[in-house]
Amino acid sequence: DGGITQSPKYLFRKEGQNVTLSCEQNLNHDAMYWYRQDPGQGLRLIYYSQIVNDFQKGDIAEGYSVSREKKESFPLTVTSAQKNPTAFYLCASSMRLAGMSSYNEQFFGPGTRLTVL
Amino acid sequence: KNEVEQSPQNLTAQEGEFITINCSYSVGISALHWLQQHPGGGIVSLFMLSSGKKKHGRLIATINIQEKHSSLHITASHPRDSAVYICAVRPPRGATNKLIFGTGTLLAVQP
Repeated sequence: DGGITQSPKYLFRKEGQNVTLSCEQNLNHDAMYWYRQDPGQGLRLIYYSQIVNDFQKGDIAEGYSVSREKKESFPLTVTSAQKNPTAFYLCASSMRLAGMSSYNEQFFGPGTRLTVL
Repeated sequence: KNEVEQSPQNLTAQEGEFITINCSYSVGISALHWLQQHPGGGIVSLFMLSSGKKKHGRLIATINIQEKHSSLHITASHPRDSAVYICAVRPPRGATNKLIFGTGTLLAVQP
């Protein structure tokens, strides 16, 4: 089955530690995204990538880093510089519309809930 | 003020009721999405629309571009419809498919 997988589902981290969240898709989508969700707020974009080996900062990139070495994979590292990392993290992907610079709808993964102890 | 506003924030309904969730936005868009998020956290895309109306099963989504408003309707609601419903808008073509999200409407359908 095609889809997006995120692992782990739950993650606990001690203060000062870096942690990497996994996101893999087998939908052959060009673009991938990382969002953060906090109670009472809409999803906020952390980073996005439209093509392999290229990515751009979203609205709240500070304290996060990403890589896009393969089309299928877009891991997110939450660094110790992120002051308030406890949140629900969602990965998404979308297909570029043929011959156009815009994209189709986004498909979301199941999410990773990160808690800093 | 948020660029995407949803109402109500919370909604409780009895099974079988007709439900309407509203979304208003203040920016130009090329498309509007309705998403469903269940308690486990995963998000499912329900609709993507840029004009008119779409229907899928008991769900109907409408959009009025001139009024910058969209509604999501659920007919014959069921407890399994209980979830957070999120409205998101996409800036005009040529942009990077960045979405602007509303804060969601928490729906609880009681048996």
